[in-house]
Amino acid sequence: GQSLEQPSEVTAVEGAIVQINCTYQTSGFYGLSWYQQHDGGAPTFLSYNALDGLEETGRFSSFLSRSDSYGYLLLQELQMKDSASYFCAVRDLVGFQKLVFGTGTRLLVSP
Amino acid sequence: GAGVSQSPSNKVTEKGKDVELRCDPISGHTALYWYRQRLGQGLEFLIYFQGNSAPDKSGLPSDRFSAERTGESVSTLTIQRTQQEDSAVYLCASSLSERRAEQYFGPGTRLTVT
Repeated sequence: GQSLEQPSEVTAVEGAIVQINCTYQTSGFYGLSWYQQHDGGAPTFLSYNALDGLEETGRFSSFLSRSDSYGYLLLQELQMKDSASYFCAVRDLVGFQKLVFGTGTRLLVSP
Repeated sequence: GAGVSQSPSNKVTEKGKDVELRCDPISGHTALYWYRQRLGQGLEFLIYFQGNSAPDKSGLPSDRFSAERTGESVSTLTIQRTQQEDSAVYLCASSLSERRAEQYFGPGTRLTVT
């Protein structure tokens, strides 16, 4: 089975850089995804790491290290609108179509 | 184009009643997923459709839960004899194919069982 752990809450100020970690215990997976969810809103896709290393998409970057069972989402030049919950998720090897989500991290950005 | 839509947005029902939740995926998306999200928690996989077949029903919590899909279009999630522990937001997502990593989520249906 899959188990993904994230810090419950992270706080930062506008303009700063923040890293949200995702550590996992898994029997194997296809890739690590990150989703953003504003309060009351739908999760929206941010990035996907199929391979180890860094993927960059604008202000957001995501990293995966399978040998360390670890990944992170890096948010740069933080804006107030980045205040939201962030979830890591893996695509299961057995039943790769489904996503197994982490516990979620609530990011609070202050002025 | 239009995103994933779900209806109703909110549903309050009495314990023991049946409810139907509807999902309209993005046109052309062959894969459709249902998830459940309890307050303050992550998303829990329920069921996945490829076309109108459901290869993976492993997440359905009990036989009170069922789902169907018409072709590559609308899906309904039915919960029979609702219980208070069924209270949650039910989210639907679709993707171009089962092999695509990116899933597009609808706004969800908030179900409250009293």
